Amino acid sequence: GAVVSQHPSRVICKSGTSVKIECRSLDFQATTMFWYRQFPKQSLMLMATSNEGSKATYEQGVEKDKFLINHASLTLSTLTVTSAHPEDSSFYICSASKNTDTQYFGPGTRLTVL
Amino acid sequence: KQEVTQIPAALSVPEGENLVLNCSFTDSAIYNLQWFRQDPGKGLTSLLLIQSSQREQTSGRLNASLDKSSGRSTLYIAASQPGDSATYLCAVQDGSSNTGKLIFGQGTTLQVKP
Repeated sequence: GAVVSQHPSRVICKSGTSVKIECRSLDFQATTMFWYRQFPKQSLMLMATSNEGSKATYEQGVEKDKFLINHASLTLSTLTVTSAHPEDSSFYICSASKNTDTQYFGPGTRLTVL
Repeated sequence: KQEVTQIPAALSVPEGENLVLNCSFTDSAIYNLQWFRQDPGKGLTSLLLIQSSQREQTSGRLNASLDKSSGRSTLYIAASQPGDSATYLCAVQDGSSNTGKLIFGQGTTLQVKP
């Protein structure tokens, strides 16, 4: 089956610093990758959709200057949370897709901003 | 705006019981509907995907049905086991085209007691 990894799995940082999260499709080429965030006991909310080699499409209410997404290759997308604050603490999950019918989800990254 | 609701929010059953999880969505114009499983602090595992033209899908002890006109889907789990304990998420892909954008419900947390 298709495997998607995320790194790191957990990160704790100080307020004001930037954090980069990687999402990799290990055994397939992902034309599209999606980034979600999940607050405790809540559902996943789509943040943005990224296609390889083009700019990400952000959902309404998501600040593109705060959440920088780069999809430089067919197997790697990165999400950088810039100038992180405690309210950015969340569980960030990526998914990767070959044809957008099926998304394969990563294991998630737990971000805690102190 | 599409909204997805899952009832109940939590469910606890004894091992061996058959159970039904419910999902409803407000806009019947969907491309497909998926059921996912999420273990605590982990990513998502896709269980079943139902295309808008289909009525149901089955995989092992799981059966998912879709009634698009009424905006409802159910996930039936037969002969539940303690290993089925997890949060089950329903998600719809909106619209008539394959955009890949998923809208999630808040999930049903299932506990199966031995």
